[in-house]
Amino acid sequence: GEDVEQSLFLSVREGDSSVINCTYTDSSSTYLYWYKQEPGAGLQLLTYIFSNMDMKQDQRLTVLLNKKDKHLSLRIADTQTGDSAIYFCAETRPGTYKYIFGTGTRLKVLA
Amino acid sequence: SQTIHQWPATLVQPVGSPLSLECTVEGTSNPNLYWYRQAAGRGLQLLFYSVGIGQISSEVPQNLSASRPQDRQFILSSKKLLLSDSGFYLCAWSVRYNEQFFGPGTRLTVL
Repeated sequence: GEDVEQSLFLSVREGDSSVINCTYTDSSSTYLYWYKQEPGAGLQLLTYIFSNMDMKQDQRLTVLLNKKDKHLSLRIADTQTGDSAIYFCAETRPGTYKYIFGTGTRLKVLA
Repeated sequence: SQTIHQWPATLVQPVGSPLSLECTVEGTSNPNLYWYRQAAGRGLQLLFYSVGIGQISSEVPQNLSASRPQDRQFILSSKKLLLSDSGFYLCAWSVRYNEQFFGPGTRLTVL
């Protein structure tokens, strides 16, 4: 199927690390993305990883890719209240301009 | 720099009325353009995408249609709205297989 799966909710305490997980379906996916959506707004690209990489780090964000298990994760270090949002993973597949988005994970950061 | 505009920002329409949502992109040429719908508490559903003027691909059969009269203009329309058309409509653009950039969205409520 075409479903990209994510858990719906995650709650963490301020200062802790957050790990948001995503399982995608197509092993031929080329790029995998993480987007952030704040309430009532569009999606903002956070980071992306090319399919031949295992890990990418960008300041507080760490993306891990396990191609064998088709598993993508986003780790946010030192989570802040401003990180509260919905996080979407997405994949692109060769030969198509379509982006397949996950269902989104709502992250709530408790002060 | 590139920017993407959507209007209106919010819209309340009665069932059976027509719809026209507009999306324009500035600062890039020949972008791929996308319309998504996000129902309350749910993920993104790809409705239409376009790789060029007059070229529209429909992903989900429904009472909506899309048109691309100019290179950087993408319009979402309906002749008769249904209650189920309520949601948050997002326009996005990309160049080739690179990341998508999203507009601010239009919140549509059909009563």
